[in-house]
Amino acid sequence: DGGITQSPKYLFRKEGQNVTLSCEQNLNHDAMYWYRQDPGQGLRLIYYSQIVNDFQKGDIAEGYSVSREKKESFPLTVTSAQKNPTAFYLCASSKVGGSNQPQHFGDGTRLSIL
Amino acid sequence: AQKVTQAQTEISVVEKEDVTLDCVYETRDTTYYLFWYKQPPSGELVFLIRRNSFDEQNEISGRYSWNFQKSTSSFNFTITASQVVDSAVYFCALSESPNFGNEKLTFGTGTRLTIIP
Repeated sequence: DGGITQSPKYLFRKEGQNVTLSCEQNLNHDAMYWYRQDPGQGLRLIYYSQIVNDFQKGDIAEGYSVSREKKESFPLTVTSAQKNPTAFYLCASSKVGGSNQPQHFGDGTRLSIL
Repeated sequence: AQKVTQAQTEISVVEKEDVTLDCVYETRDTTYYLFWYKQPPSGELVFLIRRNSFDEQNEISGRYSWNFQKSTSSFNFTITASQVVDSAVYFCALSESPNFGNEKLTFGTGTRLTIIP
């Protein structure tokens, strides 16, 4: 079955440590996205990528980094510069082409600080 | 700037009752898309519906129906004869002009719906 796989499901970070969240899709989608969800808030866009080797900052990119070396993969690194990383992180993908195709989401990764 | 408001933070209804989730949006574009997503306790977002700004026809899918009114900038979602499985957080979202490379979504803060058996 096609879909989006996020791993790990739960992740713990020590102070001053960088951690990387994995996101893989086999839907053959060109676009991929990372969102952050905090309790009682909607999803906020961190980074997005419309094509391999290109990505754009979203609304809350500070303290995060991404890469897009393969169409199927869009890993997110939460750096030590992100002072409040505890949140639920969702990865999504979609087709592109100007018709605002719906985004398909993974199951999420819950990141906590030790 | 675009904005989506879901004023109902939490709603609880008894099973089999009908319930309407409100969504009000702001945008300066004449071309835009509206979406509803469901987030069950497992965490993933499930796509429910996409609507473009030129299509104001109401839509029905089983027990779900959507009422899009451009005059009031609203895109409300009604569940008829609610069931326990409908318990989830529901998000309304907006995407402006469909330019290639600019298909970002702005989400509302969500409405937590609890169906009481």
